[in-house]
Amino acid sequence: DADVTQTPRNRITKTGKRIMLECSQTKGHDRMYWYRQDPGLGLQLIYYSFDVKDINKGEISDGYSVSRQAQAKFSLSLESAIPNQTALYFCATSDLGHNEQFFGPGTRLTVL
Amino acid sequence: SQELEQSPQSLIVQEGKNLTINCTSSKTLYGLYWYKQKYGEGLIFLMMLQKGGEEKSHEKITAKLDEKKQQSSLHITASQPSHAGIYLCGAGLLNNNNDMRFGAGTRLTVKP
Repeated sequence: DADVTQTPRNRITKTGKRIMLECSQTKGHDRMYWYRQDPGLGLQLIYYSFDVKDINKGEISDGYSVSRQAQAKFSLSLESAIPNQTALYFCATSDLGHNEQFFGPGTRLTVL
Repeated sequence: SQELEQSPQSLIVQEGKNLTINCTSSKTLYGLYWYKQKYGEGLIFLMMLQKGGEEKSHEKITAKLDEKKQQSSLHITASQPSHAGIYLCGAGLLNNNNDMRFGAGTRLTVKP
């Protein structure tokens, strides 16, 4: 079974809709991250969380919000989706004291 | 502009050939990570380099870090179709590695 899972894997939605992307991990890591990937731009950090009570904005947090429901769960919300949020979204985890990040399989989101 | 520049953006090689991918930072590096991504999938950690002059190898892949040049290179010897994918470098650009940045990736195709 995958250590970092994301749901859904694919989603097509319309402009203005609210969307939630979910991430779960069984690695027992405290740190979790949300990235988006666009062609030619690499990965950009949206939000990150170092524990259940800690939420931090990344470089492109506008238009997104997150919730850390438990150590194992970190969800990303788009309150009112817009077409330029069409991208591949990745969740990642890392352990305290270790910098290696473990990535989920990604969610492909299309906003029409 | 990207804080981490990767070159080339894409590469097509014949099976059996050697190749090198470069990652150059515009800022001081605090740890350099190489990941491989199969098309549309998550990232797989390859190697982490932390000290200037450090060199690591895994099977036929070798990565080096030149701290003075703020650059890392990834070298694949005798490439195989299984090496195909997108290679991304990531780096901690602050001294606590909490703020990770990624390059845009290098798309590698290996022709049988």
